[in-house]
Amino acid sequence: EVQLVESGGGLVKPGGSLRLSCAASGFTFENPWMSWVRQAPGKGLEWVARIKSKDEIGTTDYAAPVKGRFTISRDDSKDTLYLQMNSLKTEDTAMYYCTTHRYTWIENWGQGTLVTVSS
Amino acid sequence: DIQMTQSPSTLSASVGDRVTITCRASQSISKWLAWYQQKPGKAPNLLIYDASSLKSGVPSRFSGSGSGTEFTLTISSLQPDDSATYYCQQYSSYYSFGQGTKVEIK
Repeated sequence: EVQLVESGGGLVKPGGSLRLSCAASGFTFENPWMSWVRQAPGKGLEWVARIKSKDEIGTTDYAAPVKGRFTISRDDSKDTLYLQMNSLKTEDTAMYYCTTHRYTWIENWGQGTLVTVSS
Repeated sequence: DIQMTQSPSTLSASVGDRVTITCRASQSISKWLAWYQQKPGKAPNLLIYDASSLKSGVPSRFSGSGSGTEFTLTISSLQPDDSATYYCQQYSSYYSFGQGTKVEIK
């Protein structure tokens, strides 16, 4: 059974940084693409960033609102996905979900970790 | 960027009703569309991929159709457990979601 467990969320001031982690189990971690998707309180879903597998050179892509501030990475030796978030803004406040892809679509989701950016 | 528009935003129906949700893309996305169900306080759950392929384990009352720019999710006989918000998502060019459709049981 695929399990994705996010951690690292919390309260941070505007301009601050936070690193999210996602511990994965139940599948061969190095294979699938992985993404972070977020959901602001009471709002819809927004894709944040994607990282391809090592076979595809671990290519990364970002949504426009986070490009240049967030960095997605993966450590296949630790079965862990990361999201480094810098220069945080109040509009980054959201539940952040770790997801796996099957081929190109998003298939599995973690339970999320809440990030609150507030002074 | 590809914009996804769902309609209606909310709908209220009775148990046993046939329910249809529409999703329109701002440009052609071929069949590269997924549908997710999200219940309050929970993560989304994949229902349909490639516009019409049912994920293993998802009840057969859920079905998807469409291609190009117009897609539908149909629940053939609404059940109490189907009360949730439903999102479409394109994966033709990166990823973008519709704004969601909240389904309520009368």
